[in-house]
Amino acid sequence: DIQMTQSPSTLSASVGDRVTITCRASQSVSSWLAWYRQKPGTAPKLLIYKASNLESGVPSRFSGSGSGTEFTLTISSLQPDDFGTYYCQQYSSYWTFGQGTKVDIK
Amino acid sequence: DVQLVESGGGLVQPGGSLRLSCAASGFSFRSKWMHWVRQAPGKGLVWVARINSDGSSTSNADSVKGRFTISRDNAKNTLYLQMNSLRVEDSAVYYCAREVAGSYYFDYWGQGTPVTVSS
Repeated sequence: DIQMTQSPSTLSASVGDRVTITCRASQSVSSWLAWYRQKPGTAPKLLIYKASNLESGVPSRFSGSGSGTEFTLTISSLQPDDFGTYYCQQYSSYWTFGQGTKVDIK
Repeated sequence: DVQLVESGGGLVQPGGSLRLSCAASGFSFRSKWMHWVRQAPGKGLVWVARINSDGSSTSNADSVKGRFTISRDNAKNTLYLQMNSLRVEDSAVYYCAREVAGSYYFDYWGQGTPVTVSS
C-alpha cells in the first residue's frame, strides 16, 4: 500500500501570507496526486488534480507542484476563506489520503 | 447541478448490518465510476470501495473486504454500500464520491451520512 505523509499537521498563518503544505508518498505516484480542502462539517472540495492542474472555479492563488514522491500545495496569499483541513490523495494505486493539514487564520 | 445525497446511516450494534444509499442527480450517473470514503470522528479520509459504471467491477479496501459490498442501480441513479459484521472501528461519516471519467480522482462528494457502531 502507498502511504501518504503530510507536513505540517497544523499551521497558523496571517491573511496575505504565502502558505506551503508538503505531501510525501512512500513510493512514486508519478503525477497522480490530488489536493482537497475540507471545512468542518462539510464534504471535501477538489482543488488540484494531476499534481498541478487547478480545478475549474478554484482561485488562482492555489497551485500545486511535484512528481514522484514529493508534492507541494501553495497558497500564494492566504485569504480568510482558506481555513480548513487540506488533504493530498494519491490515485496511482488504489486511493490513499494523507493525514491532513489543518490551516488556521491568525 | 451535480448532487450526491447519502442516507441510511445510524446507530447499530457490533456485528449488525446497515445499508447506505447515495442518490445522484444532475449528471449521467450510469457513465461514472463511484466510490465510498469514510472519516472517523476527528480523523482523516479513508477510501472504502469503488464500483465501475455498469456495476460489473468492484474493489474494496482490505479493512472491509468480506464485510462491505458496494453496488449500484443505474435505473434509480443510486449507489449503495451494504455493511455487514460491523465493528466499533467502522464508526465514521461515510461519503459517496464521483470519479472523474478515466482520471481516477474525485470531483464531487456528498455531505456524508454518520454511522455509529456501539453497544
